[in-house]
Amino acid sequence: QKEVEQDPGPLSVPEGAIVSLNCTYSNSAFQYFMWYRQYSRKGPELLMYTYSSGNKEDGRFTAQVDKSSKYISLFIRDSQPSDSATYLCATPGSSASKIIFGSGTRLSIRP
Amino acid sequence: DTGVSQDPRHKITKRGQNVTFRCDPISEHNRLYWYRQTLGQGPEFLTYFQNEAQLEKSRLLSDRFSAERPKGSFSTLEIQRTEQGDSAMYLCASERLAGAGEQFFGPGTRLTVL
Repeated sequence: QKEVEQDPGPLSVPEGAIVSLNCTYSNSAFQYFMWYRQYSRKGPELLMYTYSSGNKEDGRFTAQVDKSSKYISLFIRDSQPSDSATYLCATPGSSASKIIFGSGTRLSIRP
Repeated sequence: DTGVSQDPRHKITKRGQNVTFRCDPISEHNRLYWYRQTLGQGPEFLTYFQNEAQLEKSRLLSDRFSAERPKGSFSTLEIQRTEQGDSAMYLCASERLAGAGEQFFGPGTRLTVL
């Protein structure tokens, strides 16, 4: 079993829709979680960083962690065509250094 | 631009050849990471440096791979006797040790082995 699992999509929604991206993780000891956005032919860039359970909001983006079900989510409100990218969930796991990434969900926002 | 830079951006080589990639991290970032990303997958950790010291290597890093960071600034990743399975995007990231744990990624070097 992979440490972080993510539905690869692709996911296509119309502009203005609410997008929900999800991941599960295997180890209940994991506490820090991140969402990265990766545009085509670019490196990943950090979007959100959350610790333990609960919600964190940043503009149109909300990251949610449910430790009881080992489920992490990213919600995008009022989606824009510029949000079209691959979204990667990630965690440092038990490490103080390397990051464990999910496989990424490819998102397309239709104008 | 003060972000992480990588060179070259693209490399096409024939099987059996050696290739070397370079990464220039953000100035004063102590940690430097190498990841490999194949199509449809997330990046996978290969190795990392804290200053000049290589502190961890993944089992993915076979003996054909070697990485250096001789002066604690830029780093090189060399692949000897390339194989078709080495075709991937090689990503470099840097991190300030006393920072919030955020790794900043470069644009990557896309390697194609024919």
